[in-house]
This record gives sequence, C-alpha cells and structure tokens, in this order.
Amino acid sequence: DSGVTQTPKHLITATGQRVTLRCSPRSGDLSVYWYQQSLDQGLQFLIQYYNGEERAKGNILERFSAQQFPDLHSELNLSSLELGDSALYFCASSPAGTSGMGEQFFGPGTRLTVL
Amino acid sequence: AQSVTQPDIHITVSEGASLELRCNYSYGATPYLFWYVQSPGQGLQLLLKYFSGDTLVQGIKGFEAEFKRSQSSFNLRKPSVHWSDAAEYFCALFTGGFKTIFGAGTRLFVKA
Repeated sequence: DSGVTQTPKHLITATGQRVTLRCSPRSGDLSVYWYQQSLDQGLQFLIQYYNGEERAKGNILERFSAQQFPDLHSELNLSSLELGDSALYFCASSPAGTSGMGEQFFGPGTRLTVL
Repeated sequence: AQSVTQPDIHITVSEGASLELRCNYSYGATPYLFWYVQSPGQGLQLLLKYFSGDTLVQGIKGFEAEFKRSQSSFNLRKPSVHWSDAAEYFCALFTGGFKTIFGAGTRLFVKA
C-alpha cells in the first residue's frame, strides 16, 4: 500500500459525459501527479500540482482539467468523454524537497470505461 | 530531446535465471533515473532510484541497476528471477521541468 488513495476504482460512463476522479496523496506529500495509461499510448504524464499550484503540464487535453485543494487532495475532471478516453488513470504523490525529487508513490488507479 | 527508451517490449526468462532489462535515456544534464514495477491491475511501485554518486544502486526485491553515463544507460538486473517477478517494468527520467518521462515498459514473463 503506497498510501495514495484514489476513488472510484472503476467508472463506466457514456460518451459526452463528464466525470471526476479523486486522489488523496500520502500524508505530508505536497506534489500530486496525474497520469493516463492506455494500451496504445502507454503511460502519459498529464499534469502536476504542488501545494495547490499547477507546476507542470504534459499531454493533457483541453477537455480535461485538474485542481489541488487546500487539504492537498486533487481531482481530475474529464468532460465531453470520448471512447478513446477509456484508460487507467493514476495519481501519484511525491515528498517535498530535493531528497524526494522525482520519486513518486502511485495510487491503485481508476479504470475509466467510456461506452 | 529528452526521452527514455526501453528496447525490449517483452522478455521471457526461466525461473532462477538472471535478468537484465535495458533502458537508454537522452537528457542534457545529470539525470535522475528510476525503475518502477507494475503488477497486473496495480499501480506502479518504485524499485530503485539514481540521483548521483555510486553508479550501482540497490533496490527492493533483490533488484539493482547500473548507471553508465558513457552509454546513457540505466539497466535493471536481478541475479535470480522468481515467478512473482512477472510484471511490467518501467524506466523513468525526471527532468528539470518537474516532468517524469516514462519508457514504454518491458513486460517480463517467467517460465517454470
């Protein structure tokens, strides 16, 4: 158990819908990362937040958005869903400071199926 | 350009045999490198990391990796593979822009 929690574990929805994925980082970790993992694209970095502020952006679509709240939990919002958005979405957190630079602890993921 | 390449999509080894998974990176500065393992239906777990210093780093579950700057490589090794090591392995590079670039992964199959 990494200490990172994600809800829900599974999500099935229809095209055009909007969903919210939730992540709680490990206690004390200030950084939260979101990744999308699919068979054809592999593991793709979406976005990172650090203590409530967006720090880095990857291959995140405009239909997707995220935020990190004052209690450090994070939400990833996916809207106007398409079949191709079906994937595993992972959240990861990392410790503050250089000793934890780049080291990430992953949650169990949310499997999104768009029908 | 910053990139991570894992040349082998999948590898099959016999239980008890040695293992080496290859990883090559492209980065203009001193790299921060990682190996993660993902078991089916699970999230990724950190096996080991390289920041600086000794080029041979030890990780969990009996894994080690050797950093070779001249070859831009960070290969993962294990002297004797167990059936429970069957999983997907990802090499990753942490860049100065606070992004982590993951390789495409190598799926390890272990045969009895």
